[in-house]
Amino acid sequence: DAGITQSPRHKVTETGTPVTLRCHQTENHRYMYWYRQDPGHGLRLIHYSYGVKDTDKGEVSDGYSVSRSKTEDFLLTLESATSSQTSVYFCAISGISGSTDTQYFGPGTRLTVL
Amino acid sequence: GENVEQHPSTLSVQEGDSAVIKCTYSDSASNYFPWYKQELGKRPQLIIDIRSNVGEKKDQRIAVTLNKTAKHFSLHITETQPEDSAVYFCAASKGAGSYQLTFGKGTKLSVIP
Repeated sequence: DAGITQSPRHKVTETGTPVTLRCHQTENHRYMYWYRQDPGHGLRLIHYSYGVKDTDKGEVSDGYSVSRSKTEDFLLTLESATSSQTSVYFCAISGISGSTDTQYFGPGTRLTVL
Repeated sequence: GENVEQHPSTLSVQEGDSAVIKCTYSDSASNYFPWYKQELGKRPQLIIDIRSNVGEKKDQRIAVTLNKTAKHFSLHITETQPEDSAVYFCAASKGAGSYQLTFGKGTKLSVIP
């Protein structure tokens, strides 16, 4: 499973509250990504990181921010959660076995915003 | 930006038959095309990938073909088994310098015993 963990695995929260999801990797890979998965939409990129403190926006970045202060951790924050952010969130990493573009996914976090 | 279309959205086959899923992409600069399998409640798992300098790649019962001119690529599963039942996603990226993956919306494959 490429040494990727996500926490929490499940979370229920209320509209307007801040939420932070954590992605942790054990193998020192440079690239990390956050996706959301919704029925009928597949996987859509939220933000990605190409190094410590180096991040960029993806396709659906509105309402989300990220931080990467250490190689192993990539945090996704919903500053004020909305019901439209109810989704399954997957972290991914790349750079395994010398292939920078091959991505491997974490186990996912199911977030429900009431 | 890149747009990836995937068809069909659902596919049912009899065990032992072949299954084919097709994707088209819009950005001619894309050069890396992975396929992922996702079982219910699980993470997407990479099953095969192909790069633009190759026209076909096989791994046991799974093969992927790429037509750069037409900008489409396909997943072929032969001798399907019930454990092949899952949702399959195609994706495309431009590779070096831009490692973002753009995904298709998925194909739910059901293999009927």
